[in-house]
Amino acid sequence: QQQVKQSPQSLIVQKGGIPIINCAYENTAFDYFPWYQQFPGKGPALLIAIRPDVSEKKEGRFTISFNKSAKQFSLHIMDSQPGDSATYFCAARANQGGKLIFGQGTELSVKP
Amino acid sequence: NAGVTQTPKFQVLKTGQSMTLQCAQDMNHNSMYWYRQDPGMGLRLIYYSASEGTTDKGEVPNGYNVSRLNKREFSLRLESAAPSQTSVYFCASSLGTSGYTGELFFGEGSRLTVL
Repeated sequence: QQQVKQSPQSLIVQKGGIPIINCAYENTAFDYFPWYQQFPGKGPALLIAIRPDVSEKKEGRFTISFNKSAKQFSLHIMDSQPGDSATYFCAARANQGGKLIFGQGTELSVKP
Repeated sequence: NAGVTQTPKFQVLKTGQSMTLQCAQDMNHNSMYWYRQDPGMGLRLIYYSASEGTTDKGEVPNGYNVSRLNKREFSLRLESAAPSQTSVYFCASSLGTSGYTGELFFGEGSRLTVL
């Protein structure tokens, strides 16, 4: 069973737009929420991460918003660029054992 | 600066054949993982090894076996391949100590097709 649900499955935006990718989790025993970025033919790589005691984290054009009570978190990409076109995965780490559970992924395309 | 190296990158098997995917990391990480990636399913954990000498099942372990050969190497074996195992397989590693931040370092993947 998928404990982390991600939406949308795909997303197309124009250059300069602000794509938003949403994730929801079911298990309250998660203690760390990273986002991974994957380019075609490559493995995923860590993009940005947040802990549940923080409501927002920003790194450059990428921002994570975290709503602990709703068990939801989202990724916003400001001033998106064609080079941001990739598949994005949210994930949640179980505080027992440290396994990362991934969402289904969102394929983002930023049109020039 | 190799990081996580997987071999082979591509493989085609017939149903019932066996094969082993190899993975090695040169970052002195303690934990290693095998994931499979399928469209619409994201990355699903097959097996992981929190430290040398230990292995544990993930979300989808059926049909697979693993061996943590030493601290650097973690192999995934398909004893009798089935078409449902057609996927892209990723090996990953992490520091996995008490200061574990959750960052996984992935290889570039092994694309397996079972006919």
